[in-house]
Amino acid sequence: EAGVAQSPRYKIIEKRQSVAFWCNPISGHATLYWYQQILGQGPKLLIQFQNNGVVDDSQLPKDRFSAERLKGVDSTLKIQPAKLEDSAVYLCASSAYYNSPLHFGNGTRLTVT
Amino acid sequence: TQLLEQSPQFLSIQEGENLTVYCNSSSVFSSLQWYRQEPGEGPVLLVTVVTGGEVKKLKRLTFQFGDARKDSSLHITAAQPGDTGLYLCAGNGGAQKLVFGQGTRLTINP
Repeated sequence: EAGVAQSPRYKIIEKRQSVAFWCNPISGHATLYWYQQILGQGPKLLIQFQNNGVVDDSQLPKDRFSAERLKGVDSTLKIQPAKLEDSAVYLCASSAYYNSPLHFGNGTRLTVT
Repeated sequence: TQLLEQSPQFLSIQEGENLTVYCNSSSVFSSLQWYRQEPGEGPVLLVTVVTGGEVKKLKRLTFQFGDARKDSSLHITAAQPGDTGLYLCAGNGGAQKLVFGQGTRLTINP
């Protein structure tokens, strides 16, 4: 089966600019996650979707970050405006159902200068 | 807030040696997962442990879940260069919310 697809792989922007990341989960996977992984740290959950509804966004900085999952398939994560501390790898993951293993994409490496 | 602490953070050993990586928390988890992540890629699931005291083996890798379901260990026997990577433990705190440790960066030198 095809894996989780993410784009772009790399993005360099200046602070205060906006950026968007795209994720296409494994076909049929109901749950989709966005994680932020800062260099040298483990992934931190930003938002979790179940189909097209938000299950958990408690750690999403909602003043600058937004995410949507239209029609319960693809998802986009947006940052506006970006700050230097947003430099990180943004990982998308999906799982087939509750408590099933997570499958991660290869991430988008964001550098904010 | 549920936290997972991994130790050591960095480990560099010679090929053929054995090693153990630890994952500790003060919180109880319903299950715990171990992932390996290579540069430029996302984490890949190695194993899930669910029952306190459970031991799972994956070739030269042995995973153990603590009796109280608060800690776990990963033991690698006769390490090989292909084992090099970032090893992450992740606890399921409920509602499929995974909490990750900060990882152990393992380097196996030929």
